[in-house]
Amino acid sequence: DAGITQSPRYKITETGRQVTLMCHQTWSHSYMFWYRQDLGHGLRLIYYSAAADITDKGEVPDGYVVSRSKTENFPLTLESATRSQTSVYFCASSSLGWTSGFTGELFFGEGSRLTVL
Amino acid sequence: QKEVEQDPGPLSVPEGAIVSLNCTYSNSAFQYFMWYRQYSRKGPELLMYTYSSGNKEDGRFTAQVDKSSKYISLFIRDSQPSDSATYLCAMSEGVTDKLIFGTGTRLQVFP
Repeated sequence: DAGITQSPRYKITETGRQVTLMCHQTWSHSYMFWYRQDLGHGLRLIYYSAAADITDKGEVPDGYVVSRSKTENFPLTLESATRSQTSVYFCASSSLGWTSGFTGELFFGEGSRLTVL
Repeated sequence: QKEVEQDPGPLSVPEGAIVSLNCTYSNSAFQYFMWYRQYSRKGPELLMYTYSSGNKEDGRFTAQVDKSSKYISLFIRDSQPSDSATYLCAMSEGVTDKLIFGTGTRLQVFP
């Protein structure tokens, strides 16, 4: 199916465990993003990628690692999960960058709901 | 102080009402202004996009930007129960890849 898919949709883990959230898009969009959404904070950018092998930090990158070896995939890894990382994580993609007349449209996945006990 | 401020609501209105949703911001360099709609347990989706100041209309929705006041609004006319969702404003300076989101306003339209 075309679009952007995230997996798993729901995950429960324990403090200190490593967790990887997967994101896959079929549009060949060059830009991909990871956000977390928490009550009272809205959407906060964790990491983003302008192309394969190019990644950059967002507002809240500590405790997270990303990679982008292929254009279509952008996994997010929590190396040692903490309770403060309990959140809903959204992956998004976009076809253009700002310097190319970016329209502002990010296409979001349905989210991965992570609980760290 | 957050760069973008948005009243979280909830806002509850009867069907057919005119709804006004607002955001204020502090960064005068913002030039791109967006409204995203997010249904429960779904990802946000773009509703409206505006560049710089002015108004933009799309069906029952109107987006307004007042850069002098650092204030943006989304108006929904003839609101429907299907408009019940969380509305997030988002904005950027236009030269980076980073959107700054408001916290979102939860809207409920009852029949």
